[in-house]
Amino acid sequence: DGGITQSPKYLFRKEGQNVTLSCEQNLNHDAMYWYRQDPGQGLRLIYYSQIVNDFQKGDIAEGYSVSREKKESFPLTVTSAQKNPTAFYLCASSLSPGASGNTIYFGEGSWLTVV
Amino acid sequence: GDSVTQMEGPVTLSEEAFLTINCTYTATGYPSLFWYVQYPGEGLQLLLKATKADDKGSNKGFEATYRKETTSFHLEKGSVQVSDSAVYFCALSDVDTGRRALTFGSGTRLQVQP
Repeated sequence: DGGITQSPKYLFRKEGQNVTLSCEQNLNHDAMYWYRQDPGQGLRLIYYSQIVNDFQKGDIAEGYSVSREKKESFPLTVTSAQKNPTAFYLCASSLSPGASGNTIYFGEGSWLTVV
Repeated sequence: GDSVTQMEGPVTLSEEAFLTINCTYTATGYPSLFWYVQYPGEGLQLLLKATKADDKGSNKGFEATYRKETTSFHLEKGSVQVSDSAVYFCALSDVDTGRRALTFGSGTRLQVQP
């Protein structure tokens, strides 16, 4: 089935450690995104990528890094510099980043907890 | 910059009641507007969308009309069910700004009681 796969679903991290969240899509979408969601809050954009080997910072990029070496993959690394990383992380993709009415599709999300 | 404002929740209704969730927006250009739904512990699913003024998006009994004059995109459903209990997000996409990602509202939790 076509879709967006995020892994792991649940992840625990010790303070001071980096952790990488995986996001893979087989929809042949050009654009991919990472959002962060805190309990009871809306979604905030971390990074997005419109094309392979290119990405842009969103509203809350500090303490995060990404890469886009393949069209299908857009991993997110939460570094030790991120002061409050405990949150629900959502990966998304869309066919074309510039088209009006472009629908963004979401993965099932990854829960990260710092212990 | 662009922004989306939604009514605060939770909204608690009895089954078969009429639902309205208000959404207003601020945008530079002519955005496309979306409603997404999130069930507990899951990602977001597109519920409906509208790409230009006066368009009406509809799906699963939900409707929303793009009102440019009032910069609104209110979500409505004539008769809610318990299975509609979820968090609803209003969002916009404004390609004129060059920001090629959705801007979301804070979400409105809907609780439907039997």
